[in-house]
Amino acid sequence: GESVGLHLPTLSVQEGDNSIINCAYSNSASDYFIWYKQESGKGPQFIIDIRSNMDKRQGQRVTVLLNKTVKHLSLQIAATQPGDSAVYFCAEHSRGDNFNKFYFGSGTKLNVKP
Amino acid sequence: DVKVTQSSRYLVKRTGEKVFLECVQDMDHENMFWYRQDPGLGLRLIYFSYDVKMKEKGDIPEGYSVSREKKERFSLILESASTNQTSMYLCASRSFSYNSPLHFGNGTRLTVT
Repeated sequence: GESVGLHLPTLSVQEGDNSIINCAYSNSASDYFIWYKQESGKGPQFIIDIRSNMDKRQGQRVTVLLNKTVKHLSLQIAATQPGDSAVYFCAEHSRGDNFNKFYFGSGTKLNVKP
Repeated sequence: DVKVTQSSRYLVKRTGEKVFLECVQDMDHENMFWYRQDPGLGLRLIYFSYDVKMKEKGDIPEGYSVSREKKERFSLILESASTNQTSMYLCASRSFSYNSPLHFGNGTRLTVT
C-alpha cells in the first residue's frame, strides 16, 4: 500500500536559521500534497499545498518543493522562529483513490532554540 | 478562514457509556471527517460524510457511528465506550474541489476509564 513517511523524526534549529523538513511518498499516482503544522494540544493547521503539476510553491516564509522523480516532498521554513516549534507532517492524495482518502506521514518535531 | 469547532477539548467517560462528540464547520463544506490520532499510529480515518445523511466507513469504523443531520454538523458516537477508545479525536471538513485541503478542529481528548 501507499506510505507517506519522514526522513527525520526530530529537527533542532537555531532561531533565525532556515529549516527543511522532508517527506517521502511511495505512490507515483499521488497528485496532491499538503503540509500541516500541529502544536501541542491543538489540531493540525494547514500550511501550504501543492499539486503534482508544480515543482515549487511559496507562501509566507514557507516553500514546498516537490520532486516527483524521487517521490520526495520538502517544506522549507525561512528565518525559523520559536513559534514555529511544532510537529509537521505531510499528507498525500492519489487520483486513483477515493476522493476523500488521504495518507498522512507520522510527523517531524521541529525544535527551535532561542 | 475556515473554522471547525469541536464542542469539547477534554472528556472523561466510563467504560460502557455512550459518548457523543460534536463538530461544527462554518464554511459550507460538503465533506466532513472524523479521525483519531494516537502516538506512533498517526491519523486514522474513522468515518466521513460527503453530504447530509450520507456517510462512509473509514479505516477503523468498529465501535463508532456517526450522524450528519445538518450540513454544518457532524457527530461521532461511541455506542459503548471502551478503554481502547482513549485517544485524541479530530474533526475535519473539506470542500468538494479536488485539490482542497482538510481543515481540522482543535481536537477532543477523550479518556475512557
